Amino acid sequence: DAMVIQNPRYQVTQFGKPVTLSCSQTLNHNVMYWYQQKSSQAPKLLFHYYDKDFNNEADTPDNFQSRRPNTSFCFLDIRSPGLGDAAMYLCATQNEGSPYFGPGTRLTVL
Amino acid sequence: GEDVEQSLFLSVREGDSSVINCTYTDSSSTYLYWYKQEPGAGLQLLTYIFSNMDMKQDQRLTVLLNKKDKHLSLRIADTQTGDSAIYFCAVKAAGNKLTFGGGTRVLVKP
Repeated sequence: DAMVIQNPRYQVTQFGKPVTLSCSQTLNHNVMYWYQQKSSQAPKLLFHYYDKDFNNEADTPDNFQSRRPNTSFCFLDIRSPGLGDAAMYLCATQNEGSPYFGPGTRLTVL
Repeated sequence: GEDVEQSLFLSVREGDSSVINCTYTDSSSTYLYWYKQEPGAGLQLLTYIFSNMDMKQDQRLTVLLNKKDKHLSLRIADTQTGDSAIYFCAVKAAGNKLTFGGGTRVLVKP
């Protein structure tokens, strides 16, 4: 059974049109992460939640926001996507053990 | 902050052993992970090692940790064509932040 679920798997948006990516987990983990991965590069941490405590990375653009309404769900909002925001977006969760990643959402910006 | 480095590419013949190397800079790193990523997919956790261990073996996978040199390696025995992928080393230090290396692309030739 899938433990970290990301929807949609593929998202196409237009330049400047807001988009929301979704992540849900069945593991009841208290930490949830959002990573951005561009082609052939390492995943880059955007932000993470420890329960409801939000932690933003210093170099994450203001264009990226996140919401965690409950333990199971976390959303990534991109307010005005640019061409440079086209990437794979990976959600991960963790408790005491190892981080588990979802399958990712590939975002295309036209 | 933490810096994690990996070689870019490894070519190996089917049936041989593969060794993927990783170096890191933060001596306070607690957990060290190896993830596998196939094209268009998320990150699959392969194995991990805690910083007070020197070695961990899990079926075909052997992880070696040299804390003094801040060097981590992943050995894959009897490499198969299905092992062709990008392998990421990731290091967790204080807090919840995971820092990834740039990934090593492994190509298994028949």
